[in-house]
Amino acid sequence: QKEVEQNSGPLSVPEGAIASLNCTYSDRVSQSFFWYRQYSGKSPELIMSIYSNGDKEDGRFTAQLNKASQYVSLLIRDSQPSDSATYLCAVGGTASKLTFGTGTRLQVTL
Amino acid sequence: SQTIHQWPATLVQPVGSPLSLECTVEGTSNPNLYWYRQAAGRGLQLLFYSVGIGQISSEVPQNLSASRPQDRQFILSSKKLLLSDSGFYLCAWRPLQGAGNTIYFGEGSWLTVV
Repeated sequence: QKEVEQNSGPLSVPEGAIASLNCTYSDRVSQSFFWYRQYSGKSPELIMSIYSNGDKEDGRFTAQLNKASQYVSLLIRDSQPSDSATYLCAVGGTASKLTFGTGTRLQVTL
Repeated sequence: SQTIHQWPATLVQPVGSPLSLECTVEGTSNPNLYWYRQAAGRGLQLLFYSVGIGQISSEVPQNLSASRPQDRQFILSSKKLLLSDSGFYLCAWRPLQGAGNTIYFGEGSWLTVV
């Protein structure tokens, strides 16, 4: 069974710091990787997608992928209180489906 | 631009009652459509997905069913709700053309079975 693992948190970081969120996956043939942000009571919204090994940057967000280690991470620079949310890691394989982790709750403190 | 709408936003239903949640996508054709459920404190569980009209794949055994009567319409139903059906139901879509398996979610429907 395909699994996506995340630390549930909460991960607490001070405002302005770098938040580092991690995710591991079990299916070696996974081809696409996503980070979604979910505010309490709301639906998930896509932040980043990454398909190749290495780093991908978009504004304050950087996604990192290491397929050999089956590891994907999300870095949030200059964390803001508005970044406080649950971050979901999702992994896609050969079929048109995504498997989600249970999410890491991030708290950015003032 | 593409948009997805899902309704109702919230509902409280007694055990044994029927359920119908509806989702429509605008601004695209032949999308892949999905129903996910998120139980309290748990991850997103894929319930059903559809690659075309009348084509439904079920991911987990349950008392729920899904239908796709039109290209951009996806319906989640139950004849008799159980307490365990409570949760946050999310419709999602994936464009036929585009990068990878990116999916986009609707606003969600909160279901409480009492």
